Amino acid sequence: DQQVKQNSPSLSVQEGRISILNCDYTNSMFDYFLWYKKYPAEGPTFLISISSIKDKNEDGRFTVFLNKSAKHLSLHIVPSQPGDSAVYFCAASEGGNQFYFGTGTSLTVIP
Amino acid sequence: KAGVTQTPRYLIKTRGQQVTLSCSPISGHRSVSWYQQTPGQGLQFLFEYFSETQRNKGNFPGRFSGRQFSNSRSEMNVSTLELGDSALYLCASSQNSYEQYFGPGTRLTVT
Repeated sequence: DQQVKQNSPSLSVQEGRISILNCDYTNSMFDYFLWYKKYPAEGPTFLISISSIKDKNEDGRFTVFLNKSAKHLSLHIVPSQPGDSAVYFCAASEGGNQFYFGTGTSLTVIP
Repeated sequence: KAGVTQTPRYLIKTRGQQVTLSCSPISGHRSVSWYQQTPGQGLQFLFEYFSETQRNKGNFPGRFSGRQFSNSRSEMNVSTLELGDSALYLCASSQNSYEQYFGPGTRLTVT
């Protein structure tokens, strides 16, 4: 049973435009959410996180939005750069214990 | 600080054999988690160790086991390998359970 879902396997965006990656979850007890970026032949790299007491967290070009009522979070990348091309995973946890990951969205930023 | 290291990086085994994978966490990190990544399934949580004790366990059969040593290094063992065990096995270390730092993974192929 997939508790965290990324329904878009891939996304293509022009350089300079906004990339929006989406993630849905089913467990209302999740209280911490993270986004990871993964390049081929490397492990995932932590990108940005948000706790359930917030609805937005920004770090440079990356912003994560959390909508608890809809059990939905999204990652916005503005402006998108070719180096952002990677697979992005969202993950959720209850109390920082076991993390549940989505299946990933492959982002391609076209120069 | 050196990152998380995993050995070996690639491994080919035959059905029925067993395999041991190794993970060295970032210095000072006491939590080590293991994940299995297969196409279309994202990262599936296997187990987490903290101070030599298994603290959390995912939904994997008993053929998958692990341990952690006093220096926080961890090993994962899979016995009686099946073709479906072919995957990328990722190890992540953490200081506070929330932000995990991943190693590059071990690519296991079972023939």
